[in-house]
Amino acid sequence: QVQLVQSGAEVKKPGASVKVSCRASEYTFTAYHMHWVRQAPGQGLEWMGWINPNSGGVNYAERFQGRVTMTRDTSISTAYMELNRLRSDDTAVYFCARDPGRGYSGYNHLYYFDSWGQGTLVTVSS
Amino acid sequence: QSALTQPPAVSGSPGQSVTISCTGTSSDVGSYNRVSWYQQPPGTAPKLLIYEVSNRPSGVPDRFSGSKSDNTASLTISGLQAEDEADYYCFSYTSSDTYVFGTGTKVTVL
Repeated sequence: QVQLVQSGAEVKKPGASVKVSCRASEYTFTAYHMHWVRQAPGQGLEWMGWINPNSGGVNYAERFQGRVTMTRDTSISTAYMELNRLRSDDTAVYFCARDPGRGYSGYNHLYYFDSWGQGTLVTVSS
Repeated sequence: QSALTQPPAVSGSPGQSVTISCTGTSSDVGSYNRVSWYQQPPGTAPKLLIYEVSNRPSGVPDRFSGSKSDNTASLTISGLQAEDEADYYCFSYTSSDTYVFGTGTKVTVL
């Protein structure tokens, strides 16, 4: 059974950076794209981008371009999402989610998510 | 990329059917059958309900069904049950090679 386990809650000051991890298990980490989604308190879901764990290729939502960096460490089957220059409106729960399209070509998207991490609360407050 | 439009809330009595609409544009919902739906009870991670407009993953009850017409996708819950109370989100791939969620709908079982 696919498992995605995320790092714990974080409290950061405005202007700081946060790096959230997502450790994958029970499947071949490099064969499936990993996405990041966030949800501000009482608000809806927002797509942030994806990383191809095989190549390291990324695709970010335009509103996060220049502020977000998605990376991975294949030796420990872990994906990371780092958000810089934090603002109070970045306070949210951040989720990783797996696209179930298997492959290594970079074109193996199925365009939906079959597994999600438990979420990581990031609080930005002075 | 603007969020797909969903009604903020729908409600129904146990056993009734409810339908949630998800309106996008010809650049997202209207262009691809890459629409999925997620159920999110309070305080939990979303769960996949429907993928590729109308396909159900194993384990999802057949009370949940999806469809699409032009730029609008729909999720129908037939035979509403108390456990269906949750927030529901649609999700679509876009022609800009990005993705967009719906605004979310709260389902209340009366």
